[in-house]
Amino acid sequence: DSGVTQTPKHLITATGQRVTLRCSPRSGDLSVYWYQQSLDQGLQFLIQYYNGEERAKGNILERFSAQQFPDLHSELNLSSLELGDSALYFCASRAGQGAYGYTFGSGTRLTVV
Amino acid sequence: DQQVKQNSPSLSVQEGRISILNCDYTNSMFDYFLWYKKYPAEGPTFLISISSIKDKNEDGRFTVFLNKSAKHLSLHIVPSQPGDSAVYFCAASPSGNTPLVFGKGTRLSVIA
Repeated sequence: DSGVTQTPKHLITATGQRVTLRCSPRSGDLSVYWYQQSLDQGLQFLIQYYNGEERAKGNILERFSAQQFPDLHSELNLSSLELGDSALYFCASRAGQGAYGYTFGSGTRLTVV
Repeated sequence: DQQVKQNSPSLSVQEGRISILNCDYTNSMFDYFLWYKKYPAEGPTFLISISSIKDKNEDGRFTVFLNKSAKHLSLHIVPSQPGDSAVYFCAASPSGNTPLVFGKGTRLSVIA
């Protein structure tokens, strides 16, 4: 157990729907990162939060949004889902902005049908 | 534009031999490099890292080499074991404040 908890582990939904992925970071970690891993793709950075504030944005679609709550858990909202959104979504946390290494959760596998 | 490239999608090595995984990068601002290992149905786990002020870092069977002039790093695993079979991701960052940039990964199979 890495200490980073992601729920649900698997999600199957239809095109056009909206889903919410949840991440609880490791205790004490203030930074949360979301990554997407599609078939044959590496880990693509989506968005970063630090202590409740958005800090960096990557290749995140406008249909996607995220937030980090006062208890530091984070949610990634995906709307108007398309087949191409099917992927593994990973959350990672790290202690502070000066730390390099992440601790990853085990991911949420999203399948859009 | 892929800033971190792992050009070999897969690699097969016999147990006991050396595994060499390669990674190239294009961004000269990268100053910290990491390798992550990923088993199926699990998240990536940190393996080893190196900063740009070094050219080698060793941790047990794992050694990472950095050639800044060539913008190339490699991960050596000696000796390779069946439990090393996994996907290995190379990652880089220009500073601790910025998100890690990952390559596409190399799937290593160690054959007994």
